[in-house]
Amino acid sequence: SQQGEEDPQALSIQEGENATMNCSYKTSINNLQWYRQNSGRGLVHLILIRSNEREKHSGRLRVTLDTSKKSSSLLITASRAADTASYFCATDAGNFNKFYFGSGTKLNVKP
Amino acid sequence: DAGITQSPRHKVTETGTPVTLRCHQTENHRYMYWYRQDPGHGLRLIHYSYGVKDTDKGEVSDGYSVSRSKTEDFLLTLESATSSQTSVYFCAISTGGERNEQFFGPGTRLTVL
Repeated sequence: SQQGEEDPQALSIQEGENATMNCSYKTSINNLQWYRQNSGRGLVHLILIRSNEREKHSGRLRVTLDTSKKSSSLLITASRAADTASYFCATDAGNFNKFYFGSGTKLNVKP
Repeated sequence: DAGITQSPRHKVTETGTPVTLRCHQTENHRYMYWYRQDPGHGLRLIHYSYGVKDTDKGEVSDGYSVSRSKTEDFLLTLESATSSQTSVYFCAISTGGERNEQFFGPGTRLTVL
């Protein structure tokens, strides 16, 4: 399986702090995507980084990708209580548009 | 939400009964997916479709079948429900192309007693 694995499984921080989550995967990819899931809801797409990119920014989100280490990180800066959610990475190897998800990082941002 | 709806949203059924979940999209996307989500496992791909009548298995397809007779509808059937199929089921589409993002439906919570 080329499923991604997130680390840590759970993270608890204070509002205003930065949150960093990591994702490792097993095989070569076309791109890697990060999703957020609020409790009881579906997943929401956050950001996509292609295999030939090393860093991507979107608002308070910063994603890095190291294909030599088969790993990615998601940084949320100046976190807010509303960022409390589970975060998943998903890899796309281009095989019939199949995506493989990790088991997620549960982020709790305390006000 | 890319116009994705799932029905029913909640269902309780008994072991051994057949169950069909429906996913409906309004934006004519080619690729559709069914996932299940369980604690500690993230999302696991059950089946996916790359066009009308074109489907294939994912990583946890045993006990499930799918059909796609129209672009907008993707049905997931549990042929004989078991308690291990108690889960939250998500349907998704992907936009394909260079960005290739997935958009998810709201989910169906299925309980098999």
